[in-house]
Amino acid sequence: QSVLTQPPSVSGAPGQRVTISCTGSRSNIGAGYDVHWYQHLPGTAPKRLIYAHSNRPSGVPDRFSGSKSGTSASLVITGLQAEDEADYYCQSYDRDLSGSVVFGGGTKLTVL
Amino acid sequence: EVQLVELGGGLVKPGGSLRLSCEATGFTFSGYTMNWVRQAPGKGLEWVSSISGRSSYIFYADSMKGRFTISRDNAKNSLYLEINSLRAEDTAVYYCAREDDRGWGLDSWGQGTLLTVSS
Repeated sequence: QSVLTQPPSVSGAPGQRVTISCTGSRSNIGAGYDVHWYQHLPGTAPKRLIYAHSNRPSGVPDRFSGSKSGTSASLVITGLQAEDEADYYCQSYDRDLSGSVVFGGGTKLTVL
Repeated sequence: EVQLVELGGGLVKPGGSLRLSCEATGFTFSGYTMNWVRQAPGKGLEWVSSISGRSSYIFYADSMKGRFTISRDNAKNSLYLEINSLRAEDTAVYYCAREDDRGWGLDSWGQGTLLTVSS
């Protein structure tokens, strides 16, 4: 059972928009800790996609955006492309776990 | 260019021990908190442990306390994870990951090393 809750799967057709939610609690996202998002393709190293709720590292397309509200965060992908098919994870920290790293359970994005 | 290369995975019998290594290049290793993250077959990413740049702060996931020991050698630009009393459920790909020095998540990851615990 992950500390952060994500839907197991989402899907969308090429060109469409999808949203992946990440629900936490008052001890993690709600406590003001930053939320980060990662993209993970099988057999490769995970890649940081969004940091501090809504910032994109250089090289990440602006089709990817993030936001946070209360005890939840969201990753939005617009203009879906086939290469976006991957697993996506949110990550934050939890004060009840001594500020340790916590991940969401991951969401498999399927591009139809 | 930041590079992280994990070494030391393989097939180990239940009850055995293993030390994983992560060799870092392309940045000032001692200036960064480093993490181990694992992914069991068919499962999601699971944070294992972190260690600050000068080893002053060490944290473990609750489920990892007792059998896992993280350490680093800044002179060798290397991160380590020792696992004792290995169990089948420790079977996973183990990644080392660098923490952004502004606390903005894990900004660089290695390709991972597969540890299989089986008799």
